[in-house]
Amino acid sequence: DGGITQSPKYLFRKEGQNVTLSCEQNLNHDAMYWYRQDPGQGLRLIYYSQIVNDFQKGDIAEGYSVSREKKESFPLTVTSAQKNPTAFYLCASLGQGGPTNEKLFFGSGTQLSVL
Amino acid sequence: GQNIDQPTEMTATEGAIVQINCTYQTSGFNGLFWYQQHAGEAPTFLSYNVLDGLEEKGRFSSFLSRSKGYSYLLLKELQMKDSASYLCAVKGGGSYIPTFGRGTSLIVHP
Repeated sequence: DGGITQSPKYLFRKEGQNVTLSCEQNLNHDAMYWYRQDPGQGLRLIYYSQIVNDFQKGDIAEGYSVSREKKESFPLTVTSAQKNPTAFYLCASLGQGGPTNEKLFFGSGTQLSVL
Repeated sequence: GQNIDQPTEMTATEGAIVQINCTYQTSGFNGLFWYQQHAGEAPTFLSYNVLDGLEEKGRFSSFLSRSKGYSYLLLKELQMKDSASYLCAVKGGGSYIPTFGRGTSLIVHP
């Protein structure tokens, strides 16, 4: 079955450490997204990529970096510059082609906490 | 930018009907989504409205009025498993990327 896989489910970061969250999809979607969710808040867009080798900053990109070397993969790195990284991170891809297909497909999320 | 507003929390009784409202302000409206999210899990797609009117899908229905910048999600015959957060998301402002509201936490009690 097609879908989006995020790993790990839980991740802990030490002070000054960079960590990378994995996101893989086999839906053949061009567009992929990273969202951050804090308790009681909606989803806020970190980065997005419309096509391989291209990505754009979202609303809260500072302290994060991404790459899109393959269509299937869109990893997110939380750098040491991100001073408040504790949050639930969601990766998504966008289906296209008509109202029934234009919806975001989400991975199961990664909970990142600071040690 | 887009401004999306929905109630923070609602409570309802098992078997009842509940309506969750979402109001938005955006230029170039291009669609509105509703997602359900259980704690610690990924959001799951419920509905997508582009045109005015009511769309019914089993126990869930979604309504859109573009002229009023208003949508609601109607949940019938509530079950305990419907306790979750319901997210309203809007595409507009020249972007195809949905912008999410803060979500409405629905608590269903016996």
